[in-house]
Amino acid sequence: SQQGEEDPQALSIQEGENATMNCSYKTSINNLQWYRQNSGRGLVHLILIRSNEREKHSGRLRVTLDTSKKSSSLLITASRAADTASYFCATDVDYKLSFGAGTTVTVRA
Amino acid sequence: EPEVTQTPSHQVTQMGQEVILRCVPISNHLYFYWYRQILGQKVEFLVSFYNNEISEKSEIFDDQFSVERPDGSNFTLKIRSTKLEDSAMYFCASSAASGLIQETQYFGPGTRLLVL
Repeated sequence: SQQGEEDPQALSIQEGENATMNCSYKTSINNLQWYRQNSGRGLVHLILIRSNEREKHSGRLRVTLDTSKKSSSLLITASRAADTASYFCATDVDYKLSFGAGTTVTVRA
Repeated sequence: EPEVTQTPSHQVTQMGQEVILRCVPISNHLYFYWYRQILGQKVEFLVSFYNNEISEKSEIFDDQFSVERPDGSNFTLKIRSTKLEDSAMYFCASSAASGLIQETQYFGPGTRLLVL
């Protein structure tokens, strides 16, 4: 399976702190995408990193990709209460996304 | 900003009944997808659709499932005879996918299906 698997499963941080979560996968990919899901709601796309890219930034988000280790990380800097959500990595092989189980992030005010 | 929309937001049905879940993908997108998420579990790929035909489907997408693009805007998922285990959140997604460029998949808000 080429599913992404996130680590840790859950993360609790204080507002203003950084949150880092990791994703590992098993096979070659076209790209890797990170999504956010608020409880019981839809998936919001955060960032896409292509297999030939190593790092990408979008606002307070920083994503890295290491294809040799088959891993990616998502860093959220200066977290806010509104960042409380589940975060999923999804590996894209032939336009079919495989999702991991997600990291649940709780940002305490 | 363009977005994927889905109707209904919630659907309750009796086991054995047919349901049709509707999606309006982003207008200039070429690829369309259905995923589902059973409560507490991972999001799972069901099917992808391009150029008016299924391009790929998962093991979950058996003969009880079908997809259709009945007009230029809607994309539907039909479950012919629902089972209890079909209860899940169903997400539609679309992407532009031009040539070899990998593109972001944009997801709709989902339809929560409950089969009783």
